[in-house]
Amino acid sequence: GENVEQHPSTLSVQEGDSAVIKCTYSDSASNYFPWYKQELGKGPQLIIDIRSNVGEKKDQRIAVTLNKTAKHFSLHITETQPEDSAVYFCAARRPFRTSGGSYIPTFGRGTSLIVHP
Amino acid sequence: NAGVTQTPKFQVLKTGQSMTLQCAQDMNHNSMYWYRQDPGMGLRLIYYSASEGTTDKGEVPNGYNVSRLNKREFSLRLESAAPSQTSVYFCASAPGLQNTGELFFGEGSRLTVL
Repeated sequence: GENVEQHPSTLSVQEGDSAVIKCTYSDSASNYFPWYKQELGKGPQLIIDIRSNVGEKKDQRIAVTLNKTAKHFSLHITETQPEDSAVYFCAARRPFRTSGGSYIPTFGRGTSLIVHP
Repeated sequence: NAGVTQTPKFQVLKTGQSMTLQCAQDMNHNSMYWYRQDPGMGLRLIYYSASEGTTDKGEVPNGYNVSRLNKREFSLRLESAAPSQTSVYFCASAPGLQNTGELFFGEGSRLTVL
């Protein structure tokens, strides 16, 4: 089955700095890569996603890049703010009804981002 | 719009006791999921229901049972709780397995087994 590795487990930055979280996946059939943000005491919430037919996607201060050849994808947050402090999860999923594996998203272990004012 | 609602939010059990976590969604979604979250382990899938009337095991199903009561509700039952089941449990829903869109999560149920 799919295996998603996420690094680092903890990331501490100063307000205004950039933060990068990296994930690798094992299943070459995966084609959908979402990122979730989990604030303290809340459930995870989707913040950005990317599909395998594009290499980069941006939404204001956040961006995601995908390298299908190397099977890795990254979340980039620029001009970090204290409210960006949260746990971030990456995930990977293969297309519906492809054989040989599940099409339920597999999550990484999470990165705790701390932004110091 | 409530989204995904889980009850209870907190529960303390003694080893061997049973309990049911309730989950309801009001988005008319077909698929529903139960995850557990443990420190350093991320989100691990316990069971899921692709549609009303079907349920399937996920990565860590041992010690749990589920019921898809109707399209809105998906419950998780611990028949004989063990300390290893101390965790935060999240219910999630999605339009359907064929949609590569987002999962919508509830706010979680924190369970402690003594």
